[in-house]
Amino acid sequence: GEDVEQSLFLSVREGDSSVINCTYTDSSSTYLYWYKQEPGAGLQLLTYIFSNMDMKQDQRLTVLLNKKDKHLSLRIADTQTGDSAIYFCAEGKAGGSYIPTFGRGTSLIVHP
Amino acid sequence: DTEVTQTPKHLVMGMTNKKSLKCEQHMGHRAMYWYKQKAKKPPELMFVYSYEKLSINESVPSRFSPECPNSSLLNLHLHALQPEDSALYLCASSQDRAGGTDTQYFGPGTRLTVL
Repeated sequence: GEDVEQSLFLSVREGDSSVINCTYTDSSSTYLYWYKQEPGAGLQLLTYIFSNMDMKQDQRLTVLLNKKDKHLSLRIADTQTGDSAIYFCAEGKAGGSYIPTFGRGTSLIVHP
Repeated sequence: DTEVTQTPKHLVMGMTNKKSLKCEQHMGHRAMYWYKQKAKKPPELMFVYSYEKLSINESVPSRFSPECPNSSLLNLHLHALQPEDSALYLCASSQDRAGGTDTQYFGPGTRLTVL
């Protein structure tokens, strides 16, 4: 069945770059998503990438997709303390009420 | 506008109470979802409504009863809950358009505590 794997924790210093990795197993995935969840809050859609793309950049965020290895990464440049949160990777398909499969989430801790 | 709103933000209830959670979106989305999320875990799907009809029920106990009065509103009625039902309840919506992206947009959640 489908599975999405993420490392559980990442600790970085403020100002450094953070790279959060994700692997997935469903080769028919059409969209790969990154969601951010701050403590006590809902999930905020950060960005998504179509499976026919290799890279997507949006301000401090860079998403890299290696479809051959089914590997997705999220790079946050100049990480700030406000970036501390849980980051969920998810994979999905186009159309219908297809339910995305979420990873377990990576807790990003940013030290001053 | 990509906002999904949920009320209340926090809810404390006893095991004999009846309460309701509410969710609203005005993005014209035709699919709406209820998720349950325990601390430091990913969201777990409970129900999906597609075009105001229940399309998925993930074997959720009958003490949770969803309702979709119209395309913008989604309710979750709660009755005789157990302490283990304490969690963050998240609502989400998506376009539900064949061939198009079905990206889910989440509300801020209702933090439910059952005493």
